[in-house]
Amino acid sequence: DSGVTQTPKHLITATGQRVTLRCSPRSGDLSVYWYQQSLDQGLQFLIQYYNGEERAKGNILERFSAQQFPDLHSELNLSSLELGDSALYFCASSVSDARADTQYFGPGTRLTVL
Amino acid sequence: AQTVTQSQPEMSVQEAETVTLSCTYDTSESDYYLFWYKQPPSRQMILVIRQEAYKQQNATENRFSVNFQKAAKSFSLKISDSQLGDAAMYFCAYRSGQVNAGNNRKLIWGLGTSLAVNP
Repeated sequence: DSGVTQTPKHLITATGQRVTLRCSPRSGDLSVYWYQQSLDQGLQFLIQYYNGEERAKGNILERFSAQQFPDLHSELNLSSLELGDSALYFCASSVSDARADTQYFGPGTRLTVL
Repeated sequence: AQTVTQSQPEMSVQEAETVTLSCTYDTSESDYYLFWYKQPPSRQMILVIRQEAYKQQNATENRFSVNFQKAAKSFSLKISDSQLGDAAMYFCAYRSGQVNAGNNRKLIWGLGTSLAVNP
């Protein structure tokens, strides 16, 4: 158990809908990262937050947004869902934003868009 | 842009034997970190081992060790005394160590190697 929690574990929804994925980092970790794992594109970095501020952005669609709250938990919002958004979404956390930090992963949320 | 390549989509090993998984990467940076993560059928992503590019000594964690060849940009994972629980997808990942690059904290991933362990 990495100490990173993600809810829900599974999510099944329809095209056009909106969902929110939640992540709680390890105790004391200030950075949260979101990754998408899909069959066709592998693992892709979406976005990073550090202590409530957006720090880096990757291949995140405009339909997706995220935030990190004062208690350091993070939410990834996916809207106008398409079939291609079906994937495993991982949250990871690290102590800070330092170069030497290791990212520890949560169990993931499996999103199925029908 | 940095890339990570895992050229072996699938591998198998007999229980108690040794197996080596390959990973090569491309970068122009001199400061970076390399990781091996394991993803068992549960889909949890588990850190196996990490290597700092500035360290010449190869990292070791129990039965897991790496062969880091910086000049060749190669980072292979050796699993000794393979166990049934080692069966998983293994991912090699790269992360920049540069301070000011915009996306320097993201992990860049290979496509993975599926390892089967035969009893």
